[in-house]
Amino acid sequence: EDKVVQSPLSLVVHEGDTVTLNCSYEVTNFRSLLWYKQEKKAPTFLFMLTSSGIEKKSGRLSSILDKKELSSILNITATQTGDSAIYLCAVANAGGTSYGKLTFGQGTILTVHP
Amino acid sequence: DTGVSQDPRHKITKRGQNVTFRCDPISEHNRLYWYRQTLGQGPEFLTYFQNEAQLEKSRLLSDRFSAERPKGSFSTLEIQRTEQGDSAMYLCASSLVGLTGDTQYFGPGTRLTVL
Repeated sequence: EDKVVQSPLSLVVHEGDTVTLNCSYEVTNFRSLLWYKQEKKAPTFLFMLTSSGIEKKSGRLSSILDKKELSSILNITATQTGDSAIYLCAVANAGGTSYGKLTFGQGTILTVHP
Repeated sequence: DTGVSQDPRHKITKRGQNVTFRCDPISEHNRLYWYRQTLGQGPEFLTYFQNEAQLEKSRLLSDRFSAERPKGSFSTLEIQRTEQGDSAMYLCASSLVGLTGDTQYFGPGTRLTVL
């Protein structure tokens, strides 16, 4: 069974700090890894990663995939209170009728204090 | 608004009643997914459709749950004889399977409370 584990489960920082969120996975047939941000509503898409070692960036957020280590990290620099949210990591399956199905981790709750 | 929409946003029902939720995907998307999320957990896959065909159902989806996508556009998720354990956020997502990737975009969810 596919499995995604995120760490830490929660993190409290102050504005301006840099944070690194971790995601590791065990998937029978890997297609892609996705990061979402969830703020008391539906998850909003951040990144999709398919190739190992290629960093994706969007403003202060960046992410990279390591297929050898079966893991990914999400970095947020110069955190702001608006970054407070649950960050979800999900892995998409590439196999047969399960193609595209997402398996989510438990999420990391990030709290940024002023 | 061209995103995924869900209706209703909140539903409170008594145990034993039937409920039905609706999801309208992004118009050109051919895949539609249903997930369930409980407090403190990530979303869990329930089922998905490619066009009107239901291709996979999770073991989580008991016989009391049924989903349809009759014309390959909107979808409905029905829960019969609701139980308190069904209380959760029900999320719908859609994607376009193709060479450019198949990122799933989520709707706002329907929060179900079973009393």
